Amino acid sequence: NAGVTQTPKFQVLKTGQSMTLQCAQDMNHEYMSWYRQDPGMGLRLIHYSVGAGITDQGEVPNGYNVSRSTTEDFPLRLLSAAPSQTSVYFCACKPGQGTEQYFGPGTRLTVT
Amino acid sequence: GEDVEQSLFLSVREGDSSVINCTYTDSSSTYLYWYKQEPGAGLQLLTYIFSNMDMKQDQRLTVLLNKKDKHLSLRIADTQTGDSAIYFCAESFTGGGNKLTFGTGTQLKVEL
Repeated sequence: NAGVTQTPKFQVLKTGQSMTLQCAQDMNHEYMSWYRQDPGMGLRLIHYSVGAGITDQGEVPNGYNVSRSTTEDFPLRLLSAAPSQTSVYFCACKPGQGTEQYFGPGTRLTVT
Repeated sequence: GEDVEQSLFLSVREGDSSVINCTYTDSSSTYLYWYKQEPGAGLQLLTYIFSNMDMKQDQRLTVLLNKKDKHLSLRIADTQTGDSAIYFCAESFTGGGNKLTFGTGTQLKVEL
């Protein structure tokens, strides 16, 4: 049982490049989320999904797209990377009726 | 709107008790959480309290909730060097799906 996995662990992009951060969970949890963590600001919700085929915006969705074609996977796409997107990105999942969110180990992204 | 605040740093001596504080503005939260983040790692749920409770104890951890003052605290008894980490409080809301609003995090440093 791997829990929540994220790839890559580290990534450096140039401004304007696009990429996809991968997130996968093997716990069959309905809810999945993407957060970004910036110094002194805690974690902020980017996008979330309450089940396969359903996604919704969080607090800071601009510049990011998501899709949820399967229960297991919830990729986060950066369409045109900007330096303001330099951050640590965390994926999380939660069972539908549960209270605990399970976090992945994070992806550290630097945009130059 | 939702706003969760914490002090940025706390330093204690090994064996002493640590008290990490959190204030929030939205009184409609259903659960309040404490997460621990060790360097380079994701977030680990330590404990949570339902919003109609005043206190919850779990081994060395004691959570106190003052709903009137919108104040949440985490007390760690007999603090050890392994407790050095960043601690985040977070709140969730009825109907909020898997959305959590996080505080800014408190860095706890345990000195010998």
